[in-house]
Amino acid sequence: DTGVSQNPRHKITKRGQNVTFRCDPISEHNRLYWYRQTLGQGPEFLTYFQNEAQLEKSRLLSDRFSAERPKGSFSTLEIQRTEQGDSAMYLCASSLGQEMGTNEKLFFGSGTQLSVL
Amino acid sequence: DAKTTQPPSMDCAEGRAANLPCNHSTISGNEYVYWYRQIHSQGPQYIIHGLKNNETNEMASLIITEDRKSSTLILPHATLRDTAVYYCIVRVGMYSGGGADGLTFGKGTHLIIQP
Repeated sequence: DTGVSQNPRHKITKRGQNVTFRCDPISEHNRLYWYRQTLGQGPEFLTYFQNEAQLEKSRLLSDRFSAERPKGSFSTLEIQRTEQGDSAMYLCASSLGQEMGTNEKLFFGSGTQLSVL
Repeated sequence: DAKTTQPPSMDCAEGRAANLPCNHSTISGNEYVYWYRQIHSQGPQYIIHGLKNNETNEMASLIITEDRKSSTLILPHATLRDTAVYYCIVRVGMYSGGGADGLTFGKGTHLIIQP
């Protein structure tokens, strides 16, 4: 399978606990994105990486959220001191990030569904 | 990025063409129209995009009006597997000076294909 892979698919945690999600992008893709999606809404942009550099963060990404992409390959998204409002689907996407003068397609994973009790 | 307006839901009979409208009356000259869809419990899937000309690929056709204020996504022969939420997004191309921030999704159109 050469698609975007996310783990775990589901995570249930208690309020106040820390959680970490992992995303493995398509291997030759330089750009990696994180989105959050709540029920009935479209995905909301959180942050993105160009290789290992985190180039943009949404205002939605509070101080409790941190994302890394240490070697420019896989990425992790950590949420500290989880709150019930963090319950959502967390989606990862990747794109080539190389072709000048073109517009890129984002390839999404199936997401990690977080439930905070 | 310009705002888009889509109907919240639509039905279409299996085997018929599904025509999904999108209004983007404030679109600017360097903004592209993108369509993605999201099948239940999956991440969004790219369908097609265009700037001014009509576009066609193996999944769908995109018809953009001459004034670019609206567009229609056409699924020529809808199947049950096309039941999904369809998102119309307009944004500046990533290499057109618009930055590389993420796509802005609205609520989309929930397309239901009826057997």
